[in-house]
Amino acid sequence: NAGVTQTPKFQVLKTGQSMTLQCAQDMNHEYMSWYRQDPGMGLRLIHYSVGAGITDQGEVPNGYNVSRSTTEDFPLRLLSAAPSQTSVYFCASSYEGLGYTFGSGTRLTVV
Amino acid sequence: QQQVKQSPQSLIVQKGGISIINCAYENTAFDYFPWYQQFPGKGPALLIAIRPDVSEKKEGRFTISFNKSAKQFSLHIMDSQPGDSATYFCAAGNNDMRFGAGTRLTVKP
Repeated sequence: NAGVTQTPKFQVLKTGQSMTLQCAQDMNHEYMSWYRQDPGMGLRLIHYSVGAGITDQGEVPNGYNVSRSTTEDFPLRLLSAAPSQTSVYFCASSYEGLGYTFGSGTRLTVV
Repeated sequence: QQQVKQSPQSLIVQKGGISIINCAYENTAFDYFPWYQQFPGKGPALLIAIRPDVSEKKEGRFTISFNKSAKQFSLHIMDSQPGDSATYFCAAGNNDMRFGAGTRLTVKP
């Protein structure tokens, strides 16, 4: 039972590049979310999903896209990376939107 | 603007003491209030959570106190231990959890 798996663990991008952060869970959770964590700002919600085919915006959605074609996977796409998107990104999943289980994070640097 | 405000930013407690972290929320529609613990280089882990129909919940050394009318809730860590040194986050929401900015707790031996 792997829980929530995020790949890659580390990534360096150049400004303007695009990439996809992968997230997969094997707990059959309906709810999944993406957060970014920046020093002194806690975790801020980017996008979330309450089931396959359903996504919604969180607090800081600009510059990010998501899709949820299966229950297991919830990838996060950066369309055109900017230095302001340098952060640690966490994916999380939950049964019924309650206690979320977090992945180990992706540390992204945009230069 | 942050929907969940957490204080203090940092806290130093002696071993055996009580650690208290406070949070306030704005949205009265929120119906789930968890606390998370995070160690360096790791993702947050659920510690304890409460629903608004209960004023207090205790699990071992960890207690949540909840004041619905004041829109505030707090985490109390009794008999704090050096192993409790971590960053603690409160959160509030329904399906989409909004987090506080975090409290870095240091428990001195």
